[in-house]
Amino acid sequence: QQQVKQSPQSLIVQKGGISIINCAYENTAFDYFPWYQQFPGKGPALLIAIRPDVSEKKEGRFTISFNKSAKQFSLHIMDSQPGDSATYFCAAPQADNQGGKLIFGQGTELSVKP
Amino acid sequence: ETGVTQTPRHLVMGMTNKKSLKCEQHLGHNAMYWYKQSAKKPLELMFVYNFKEQTENNSVPSRFSPECPNSSHLFLHLHTLQPEDSALYLCASSQGQGPGSPLHFGNGTRLTVT
Repeated sequence: QQQVKQSPQSLIVQKGGISIINCAYENTAFDYFPWYQQFPGKGPALLIAIRPDVSEKKEGRFTISFNKSAKQFSLHIMDSQPGDSATYFCAAPQADNQGGKLIFGQGTELSVKP
Repeated sequence: ETGVTQTPRHLVMGMTNKKSLKCEQHLGHNAMYWYKQSAKKPLELMFVYNFKEQTENNSVPSRFSPECPNSSHLFLHLHTLQPEDSALYLCASSQGQGPGSPLHFGNGTRLTVT
């Protein structure tokens, strides 16, 4: 069964530091890779997504880097803040599903210490 | 109300009970989803509805029965559940199902089966 492998499972970063979360995928039907952010007691919410006609997309402090040949993509959070403490999920479209079904990674629990 | 609303927020049920989870979206979307979220596991897609028609059943046991009376409402009927069904059940909606259609999640129903 197709998987998206996400690492690390948990991450502790000091305030102002850089948080890096990595994902590796298998074949996909489409090139579209979103990241979702989930706070405790809330549902996941779309944070940022990339369609890899580019290798990098930046929105504020959040950057997705994409390496198509390696089938990997990563989320970088610059100047990490305590308010960024949440669980982050990467996702990739399922290879054999033309309906855009997403396969999610296991999640990374990020804790940013003041 | 805005977004995706799920009720109840918490539910405790015995294995012989019958209960239902409710989801309502106020975003004008035409696709609705049920996901299961268990600790340390990826989000698992259960069912997809597009314009009230079920387009995906991800090999979910028959003790879970979805119902989509219209594009704004989605139910998950539960009966004779097992303790391993305890999890957070998330409803989501999207405008279309193609790649790049962001999922909008509710805050979930925390289900405990005793």
